[in-house]
Amino acid sequence: DAGVIQSPRHEVTEMGQEVTLRCKPISGHDYLFWYRQTMMRGLELLIYFNNNVPIDDSGMPEDRFSAKMPNASFSTLKIQPSEPRDSAVYFCASSSGGGELVNQPQHFGDGTRLSIL
Amino acid sequence: RKEVEQDPGPFNVPEGATVAFNCTYSNSASQSFFWYRQDCRKEPKLLMSVYSSGNEDGRFTAQLNRASQYISLLIRDSKLSDSATYLCVALGDGRLAFGKGNQVVVIP
Repeated sequence: DAGVIQSPRHEVTEMGQEVTLRCKPISGHDYLFWYRQTMMRGLELLIYFNNNVPIDDSGMPEDRFSAKMPNASFSTLKIQPSEPRDSAVYFCASSSGGGELVNQPQHFGDGTRLSIL
Repeated sequence: RKEVEQDPGPFNVPEGATVAFNCTYSNSASQSFFWYRQDCRKEPKLLMSVYSSGNEDGRFTAQLNRASQYISLLIRDSKLSDSATYLCVALGDGRLAFGKGNQVVVIP
């Protein structure tokens, strides 16, 4: 079975550029999560969706970050303009909650390693 | 204060020994708990759920102490392949939080 698919795997770009990260969740999963991981801060939840609707975006660091989920099989995380401090590994994860967030483990994609120069 | 706190370690463990570590959570409304394992430069993967009565999966035992708001993970007969970072997760009341992880290094 296909897992969570993220692209690109690696991205290196100059500060000020727009960065778009993509995620395809596992088919049938109704929750989708975006995380950022750094050595200093660990794994941080940025935003999550339920049935394509954003539920909690309190982890989104600032207005430069935006996320969309136009349909059940695709989500994007966009950073515009990007800054060096945005350099991190960005993970997408999905889970099958049946409408309930509790008690459902998440399946992670391989992550996107983002470097902003 | 972070919602979920873990001692980063590293926990250096001789091969074959037992290692245990805790994770404290601050949200008393948390209902579900998990341990994830993350290898270097890889994604987190579910290791096991944590049930109220405690549960085992092979060499791994997870416990939950609601009164003191912590969960624990014990690894018996450590293998070299157990070297990884173990992340705990607290989930509930619509809120989800990962700890920064306990790094375990099993030494031959």
